[in-house]
This record gives sequence, structure tokens and C-alpha cells, in this order.
Amino acid sequence: GQQVMQIPQYQHVQEGEDFTTYCNSSTTLSNIQWYKQRPGGHPVFLIQLVKSGEVKKQKRLTFQFGEAKKNSSLHITATQTTDVGTYFCAGRSSASKIIFGSGTRLSIRP
Amino acid sequence: GAVVSQHPSRVICKSGTSVKIECRSLDFQATTMFWYRQFPKKSLMLMATSNEGSKATYEQGVEKDKFLINHASLTLSTLTVTSAHPEDSSFYICSADSPGAGYTFGSGTRLTVV
Repeated sequence: GQQVMQIPQYQHVQEGEDFTTYCNSSTTLSNIQWYKQRPGGHPVFLIQLVKSGEVKKQKRLTFQFGEAKKNSSLHITATQTTDVGTYFCAGRSSASKIIFGSGTRLSIRP
Repeated sequence: GAVVSQHPSRVICKSGTSVKIECRSLDFQATTMFWYRQFPKKSLMLMATSNEGSKATYEQGVEKDKFLINHASLTLSTLTVTSAHPEDSSFYICSADSPGAGYTFGSGTRLTVV
């Protein structure tokens, strides 16, 4: 069945350093979404990528969708303590089912 | 923006009893809602897709008779954990596909079965 792998599982960075999480699907995706879940909270939608090779930015966050629509990345420039949380990718297959990646937990040293 | 309200946020129940969790879309209609289970520090596991006016679609390995789902209106889906046992203790969370906003999640329900 469809699988969505996400790496790394954990990332601990110094405040101000950059952070990247990667998402890989076993099948071609129709779109991919990214979510952020703060500790004790629920996932919050960040963005959706649809087009092959698409790049979108939200302030310090840069999202990319691979040319083959099977991988994606989220890059945070100059992390801040407010960036702490778990970042999930969620890939939608042609069958319209969304599969969540395992998540990357980001922690930050002030 | 789209809001999904989920109640209760926390519930403690005795083993063998049933617990109902409600998920409401407040400012949009959702013909489809999704129920997830999340273990500590783990990802979201899709349990079932709730379809308004018809039977829910359960993922492989999810017991239909234990996790009863009802989606009686375009704004309300309920998940009932029947004959709960301690191993059912978990964080249950619903979501709906909101227009232009990806999945909007409820705030989740932390179930503890004692």
C-alpha cells in the first residue's frame, strides 16, 4: 500500500539555525500538504502543493514539491523558539486517501 | 477560517463502558469527516472515513463494532468507543476537508480508560 516516509524523526537545533524535513512517497501524489502540531495541540494546516516542482514560501518557511510528485521538503530559515513542534507531511494519492508521514519533531535550544 | 469543534477534550471512563466523541464543522458543511488515532509522539493513524448519510469506511485492522461512527448531518460526525478497555486509551482526533484550507482538525479528545 501507499507509504509516506518522513525524515528525520527528530531534529534539535540552536535557535537561528536552519531546519529541513523531507517527505518521500512510495507512489505519485496528486498533492501534498504540510501540517504543524505544537506539543499538546492538534495539527494545523500550513500549505498545500499541487504542481510538479512547485515552490511556495511563507515568511521563513519554504515548501517544495518534487518534479516527480513523490517527494517534498519543508525548510525553515533561522529557526525561532516559536517553530517548536512536530511537522507532518500528508500525501494525497489518486485514490483521494491522505496518508500522513511519521512527522519530524523539532526542538530548539534558545 | 474553517473551524472544527470536537468534544469532549478529555474523558476518563471505566473499563467496559462506552464513550461518544463529537466532531462538528462550525462554518462549513462536511460530507466527509475523518477519524484518527494518535499515540504519544507518533503520527496520525487514519481509523475511518465518515460519510454523511451512509456507512463509514474503516481502515484495515480497525474494528467496526468497537469504533462506531455516525454521520447523521452535514456538520456532525460521532465516534463511539464501545466496551472500552485500557488499550483503547489514546488521543482521538477528527478532521474535515475544508474548502481551500486543507484538512481542518478538531482539538482532539484524550481518552483514558481505567
